[in-house]
Amino acid sequence: GQNIDQPTEMTATEGAIVQINCTYQTSGFNGLFWYQQHAGEAPTFLSYNVLDGLEEKGRFSSFLSRSKGYSYLLLKELQMKDSASYLCAASNTGGFKTIFGAGTRLFVKA
Amino acid sequence: EAGVTQFPSHSVIEKGQTVTLRCDPISGHDNLYWYRRVMGKEIKFLLHFVKESKQDESGMPNNRFLAERTGGTYSTLKVQPAELEDSGVYFCASSRTGSYNEQFFGPGTRLTVL
Repeated sequence: GQNIDQPTEMTATEGAIVQINCTYQTSGFNGLFWYQQHAGEAPTFLSYNVLDGLEEKGRFSSFLSRSKGYSYLLLKELQMKDSASYLCAASNTGGFKTIFGAGTRLFVKA
Repeated sequence: EAGVTQFPSHSVIEKGQTVTLRCDPISGHDNLYWYRRVMGKEIKFLLHFVKESKQDESGMPNNRFLAERTGGTYSTLKVQPAELEDSGVYFCASSRTGSYNEQFFGPGTRLTVL
């Protein structure tokens, strides 16, 4: 079967660091997306990992371990505007069909 | 460049009626995807077009749903007849042809079936 698991909610403090974990079990895995979605808006692309390891992009970093079926999104220097849902999604071979997790709602408090 | 647009933004219809949703992808994007998110659930893949051809429609829930992309530009998703469980947000996304596909999402159409 195909399954993506991520925590439902997380709370963190402004200026802190937060790590959102994601585990996946999919057939024909190609790569792992992270999207950010503010309430009532479209998901916006954050990262796509195909190879094992950490990729850094500004305040956001994403990690992938293909052998463990595991990824995480790391957010540094949290800002209030980072309060949103973060969606983990796995793409199949060819990178087209994408399976989404239910999303992690992140609340950033002052 | 203009983003993915969807029309309408909201639609409220009665059970048994027909609704057609439209998606205009980013110009030049050959790949077009339809997704659906029902209340409290994850975003689910419906289908994928490459230009005008259906590449993968394994996520379409049943034959009440019909997607088209004549001419390989905009796409429509028709639900006929609509049922209560079809309520949700329908997202469209597009991407370039390439080694990986950063998908750009539209704002979604919120469909409510009463």
